[in-house]
Amino acid sequence: DTEVTQTPKHLVMGMTNKKSLKCEQHMGHRAMYWYKQKAKKPPELMFVYSYEKLSINESVPSRFSPECPNSSLLNLHLHALQPEDSALYLCASIGTSGSGPQYFGPGTRLTVL
Amino acid sequence: EDQVTQSPEALRLQEGESSSLNCSYTVSGLRGLFWYRQDPGKGPEFLFTLYSAGEEKEKERLKATLTKKESFLHITAPKPEDSATYLCAVQEGGTGRRALTFGSGTRLQVQP
Repeated sequence: DTEVTQTPKHLVMGMTNKKSLKCEQHMGHRAMYWYKQKAKKPPELMFVYSYEKLSINESVPSRFSPECPNSSLLNLHLHALQPEDSALYLCASIGTSGSGPQYFGPGTRLTVL
Repeated sequence: EDQVTQSPEALRLQEGESSSLNCSYTVSGLRGLFWYRQDPGKGPEFLFTLYSAGEEKEKERLKATLTKKESFLHITAPKPEDSATYLCAVQEGGTGRRALTFGSGTRLQVQP
């Protein structure tokens, strides 16, 4: 089973709202990622969690706040977003060796009004 | 800094017309090169991993090959359902960073 799940599939929010994206995997992977993808562009790395600790933050604005409650779950808390933050948000995970493919979830389509 | 360049940006084929997609890369120590397929509005779907020059992988109508500077994704007798964006990504070895550097992708359209 190489499934990564993400909820919700679609999210529309105003600039003053607070919302959260959720990602879950049950492959025993210990590294998880958040990516942002704009239309016709490749995924851009936002955050990396390794063994439930934040290991990489690609200079992402503080209005995006990641959280890793346990080894299977990854959240992305959203607050005071801007319309330019509208994008497809992807979660991925990789096995403990650090080598091999990242497996991606289906993504959350976020629209900020 | 790792760089990945994919060509062409877009490719339109007739059903059954074979072709190849190119991925050129610059990386200091390749840990792995990955091919993904992405349908509009969906997450990338893993296709292949290649680790060393000379390696080849096949799956149905797709075959991926790797040299020291580039990778090719060969599509034999494509069908309309092969229409998608194909992404190439590299993972650098040695840093343990585990992050991927993606190319911009090739948008493939196969017409019946």
